Amino acid sequence: ELKVEQNPLFLSMQEGKNYTIYCNYSTTSDRLYWYRQDPGKSLESLFVLLSNGAVKQEGRLMASLDTKARLSTLHITAAVHDLSATYFCAALRPSNYQLIWGAGTKLIIKP
Amino acid sequence: DSGVTQTPKHLITATGQRVTLRCSPRSGDLSVYWYQQSLDQGLQFLIQYYNGEERAKGNILERFSAQQFPDLHSELNLSSLELGDSALYFCASSVNPSGQETQYFGPGTRLLVL
Repeated sequence: ELKVEQNPLFLSMQEGKNYTIYCNYSTTSDRLYWYRQDPGKSLESLFVLLSNGAVKQEGRLMASLDTKARLSTLHITAAVHDLSATYFCAALRPSNYQLIWGAGTKLIIKP
Repeated sequence: DSGVTQTPKHLITATGQRVTLRCSPRSGDLSVYWYQQSLDQGLQFLIQYYNGEERAKGNILERFSAQQFPDLHSELNLSSLELGDSALYFCASSVNPSGQETQYFGPGTRLLVL
């Protein structure tokens, strides 16, 4: 059964620092998604990673996928307050194409 | 704005009651997904419809049901409501049924059962 684990679940950091959120999944998955959720708001798609070694970047966020290690990372560079949100990863279950979600990482960036 | 709309935004009701949540997908999207987000369970997939037909079922209770209409909007019906059903309910849509494409989420309906 596909399970997705994120860590850390909570992260408080200073502006200007770098940090990485990790997303591990337990069995084979075809693709990996990252979403952002602001408090009380909807989920916004950030990245879709399709293959081993895939790397995508948007502004201060960079996501990568290592299918052999069953690991995706979301790296934040020189964090700014506006990036404060909860970040979710989700893996696609190949058998029925359902998204299996991680618990989310709540990121607080202090000025 | 994802282009997915959901109504109502907020709903307060009592235990034992029945409510209907409505979702309109993005223009051109044929697939609709329903999710429940609660503090203790996280984000849970409930059910998926594609072009009017049920495509996949997740952790949906028997008290809950859904349908997708010919105009592609979808409704999620929650009956015999319990306190534990209080949650944020999201609808998402995508073009194809495979789930391999990005799902675009609506703003959600916040349900409070008292």
